[in-house]
Amino acid sequence: ETGVTQTPRHLVMGMTNKKSLKCEQHLGHNAMYWYKQSAKKPLELMFVYNFKEQTENNSVPSRFSPECPNSSHLFLHLHTLQPEDSALYLCASSHYPGQNTGELFFGEGSRLTVL
Amino acid sequence: GIQVEQSPPDLILQEGANSTLRCNFSDSVNNLQWFHQNPWGQLINLFYIPSGTKQNGRLSATTVATERYSLLYISSSQTTDSGVYFCAVVDTSGTYKYIFGTGTRLKVLA
Repeated sequence: ETGVTQTPRHLVMGMTNKKSLKCEQHLGHNAMYWYKQSAKKPLELMFVYNFKEQTENNSVPSRFSPECPNSSHLFLHLHTLQPEDSALYLCASSHYPGQNTGELFFGEGSRLTVL
Repeated sequence: GIQVEQSPPDLILQEGANSTLRCNFSDSVNNLQWFHQNPWGQLINLFYIPSGTKQNGRLSATTVATERYSLLYISSSQTTDSGVYFCAVVDTSGTYKYIFGTGTRLKVLA
């Protein structure tokens, strides 16, 4: 079983749909992250959760709504998205930097297409 | 905030050649990682190397934290090495965010 798993791997949705991305980590980490990677752009940090509490929201539009019910699971709820939101969404986890090694591990990504 | 620059932005190699990728950062860091993003988008951990030198097979990395740079060496490159290589550092300003460089896109030709 891989350390960080993301589902679905591919998602196509219309602008009026509501969908969710799911991430689960099996590494015993306490911090989880959502990153966005658009074509030909660097990785953008969206949200950080530490021990289930959101510690970072990088000015992300409200049509993206994160949820972290426990230290092992992270969701990204999507609603009324725009075509420019099409991107690769990457989940990651780590021990929280400053406490331990803080090495970052990524899931395989969810490739989202908004029509 | 901290700036992370990678060079070169693009690199094309013939199979079997060696290469050096560079990561410069503008401030002190506690953590530094190198990743390889494969054609399917997954980021694979290569090295966690806040300082010193590490080797793993044909790949090795060196970080000189006092001079604010890290190098990734790829020897005897193979077509499977193609992809984008990122370095990422942890900002020590208090938010402990991982900051990514813009990457080096490597293509290895058979």
